[in-house]
Amino acid sequence: EAGVTQFPSHSVIEKGQTVTLRCDPISGHDNLYWYRRVMGKEIKFLLHFVKESKQDESGMPNNRFLAERTGGTYSTLKVQPAELEDSGVYFCASSPPSAGLFYEQYFGPGTRLTVT
Amino acid sequence: RKEVEQDPGPFNVPEGATVAFNCTYSNSASQSFFWYRQDCRKEPKLLMSVYSSGNEDGRFTAQLNRASQYISLLIRDSKLSDSATYLCVVKASGGSYIPTFGRGTSLIVHP
Repeated sequence: EAGVTQFPSHSVIEKGQTVTLRCDPISGHDNLYWYRRVMGKEIKFLLHFVKESKQDESGMPNNRFLAERTGGTYSTLKVQPAELEDSGVYFCASSPPSAGLFYEQYFGPGTRLTVT
Repeated sequence: RKEVEQDPGPFNVPEGATVAFNCTYSNSASQSFFWYRQDCRKEPKLLMSVYSSGNEDGRFTAQLNRASQYISLLIRDSKLSDSATYLCVVKASGGSYIPTFGRGTSLIVHP
């Protein structure tokens, strides 16, 4: 079974540019999450989709970040315009539907974003 | 005070040693607790969930102390392959399943 995949693995962009990250969850996983790890800090939650609906987006830093999951399959996270502090590793994770408190989230390999 | 705190380490131990990590959490409403393992430049992977009664999986034992608000991970007979960063993850009760991560504890097992 294929795991969570993310594209690209690395992205280097200039401040002010736009970048779109993609996440393909494990097939059949209704729950999809985006996280970010800034260098030297802990992994932070950004948002949670259940199918195509945003269940919780309380972790999104500001309105420069836009996440979508049209059709409830893959998801994109767009940063526009990118700022220096957006640099970090963006992880996507997915979990099965009807998951309980002790569900496991399966993480993708992450996208390393560098804004210069 | 951070929501989830871990000693960053590194813990440098020889093969075969027993090593233990603690993780403290500030939210007394926390319900779910996990240990994840993250290898360098890789994604986090679930190592084990932590149940109220404590649980064991081979060489790994996890404990929860609600009164003192900490969880622990004990690794017995350390292997070189255990070298990694161990992340403590805590989730509060309620409808939201937002997990809070600690920064991780680095373990280096040497020959």
